[in-house]
Amino acid sequence: GNSVTQMEGPVTLSEEAFLTINCTYTATGYPSLFWYVQYPGEGLQLLLKATKADDKGSNKGFEATYRKETTSFHLEKGSVQVSDSAVYFCAPTKGGSWGKLQFGAGTQVVVTP
Amino acid sequence: DTGVSQDPRHKITKRGQNVTFRCDPISEHNRLYWYRQTLGQGPEFLTYFQNEAQLEKSRLLSDRFSAERPKGSFSTLEIQRTEQGDSAMYLCASSLLGLDEQFFGPGTRLTVL
Repeated sequence: GNSVTQMEGPVTLSEEAFLTINCTYTATGYPSLFWYVQYPGEGLQLLLKATKADDKGSNKGFEATYRKETTSFHLEKGSVQVSDSAVYFCAPTKGGSWGKLQFGAGTQVVVTP
Repeated sequence: DTGVSQDPRHKITKRGQNVTFRCDPISEHNRLYWYRQTLGQGPEFLTYFQNEAQLEKSRLLSDRFSAERPKGSFSTLEIQRTEQGDSAMYLCASSLLGLDEQFFGPGTRLTVL
């Protein structure tokens, strides 16, 4: 069946370090790909998206590229801040015309000063 | 703020009681979704509406769960005869037909004692 694999957390980094969170998925067809972020005590927020192969989604210094050949959508940021501490969820759509999301287990990121 | 709202934010109930949650989507969003999230996991899809029609239900949604969206605007999720295993965060999201981006509410945290 369809599944999403994210790297396990917590990932602990120092401020200004480079962040990568790996995400691979299995899906039929051509899903849209999303990263959502959940800050402490808050709800899920859409971080970025990509809807077709080789698209790059970007927002708030984060980037992810839709890699159809490797079915991956790795999240990167070149210089993290303490305010980036959160849980990050990779979420491809599960296929079909209406885009049901399937979420990974989430990766907690902790950025220390 | 015209985002997705959910009520109540927290609910504590005793095993065997019935509970009902409400979700108000972003106005004009014709798609509405319910998800459930347990600690340390990503959200899991429960059910989906397009306007007032419930188009899909997950196998996670046992017979004790029922959802409605009578006028195609707000939705309710009812759990009958609650069990301790129902304790979770219940998330509602909405989107526009033709767009995969889902916008999430803050969630209702259910604790079954």
